[in-house]
Amino acid sequence: GAVVSQHPSRVICKSGTSVKIECRSLDFQATTMFWYRQFPKQSLMLMATSNEGSKATYEQGVEKDKFLINHASLTLSTLTVTSAHPEDSSFYICSAHSPLAGFTDTQYFGPGTRLTVL
Amino acid sequence: QKEVEQDPGPLSVPEGAIVSLNCTYSNSAFQYFMWYRQYSRKGPELLMYTYSSGNKEDGRFTAQVDKSSKYISLFIRDSQPSDSATYLCAMRTGGFKTIFGAGTRLFVKA
Repeated sequence: GAVVSQHPSRVICKSGTSVKIECRSLDFQATTMFWYRQFPKQSLMLMATSNEGSKATYEQGVEKDKFLINHASLTLSTLTVTSAHPEDSSFYICSAHSPLAGFTDTQYFGPGTRLTVL
Repeated sequence: QKEVEQDPGPLSVPEGAIVSLNCTYSNSAFQYFMWYRQYSRKGPELLMYTYSSGNKEDGRFTAQVDKSSKYISLFIRDSQPSDSATYLCAMRTGGFKTIFGAGTRLFVKA
């Protein structure tokens, strides 16, 4: 159990375009999902926390209008990078949390999405 | 000072060795402590999860938490080449926001 998927796994786009990344919890309902960004050989940096049906909470320094997060259901959250630029190139990872019995009270990560902006 | 300090390595050991990975932290409010394993270009995978102080063992892995010293460890016994990865310590208070260490790159040589 506790499987989280991400789509796409890899995306290459031109500067100025928008890219949408999907994060799905496959076998459980996630009340909270998290979006992280990871640069090469660096740790995960939390970008935002999203709860189903409410607005995401962004970390300091993360542009809300650039990184649009939608958590429309208990199994799906999306991150849209709007007007992407080369400096947005990174590894984006989502995670999901479930407070249900049987799961440890922590986060389960998706496989990540490698974004390259040309 | 970072909230969580972790030596990025790399750490290189021969197959069969006992590996010791460590993190220190400054926030005494942390209660939940995790270790994740991350292979190159993949998402982190939860290895160990510990609440408060103490030891926890799972197969070849043992996690230790010493809250008095603000120090956590992960031991890997009989290390295998397949253990080669980056190991991230992580911790949080009662809320959901998790703070990650920088990750230690481990290489186990056959």
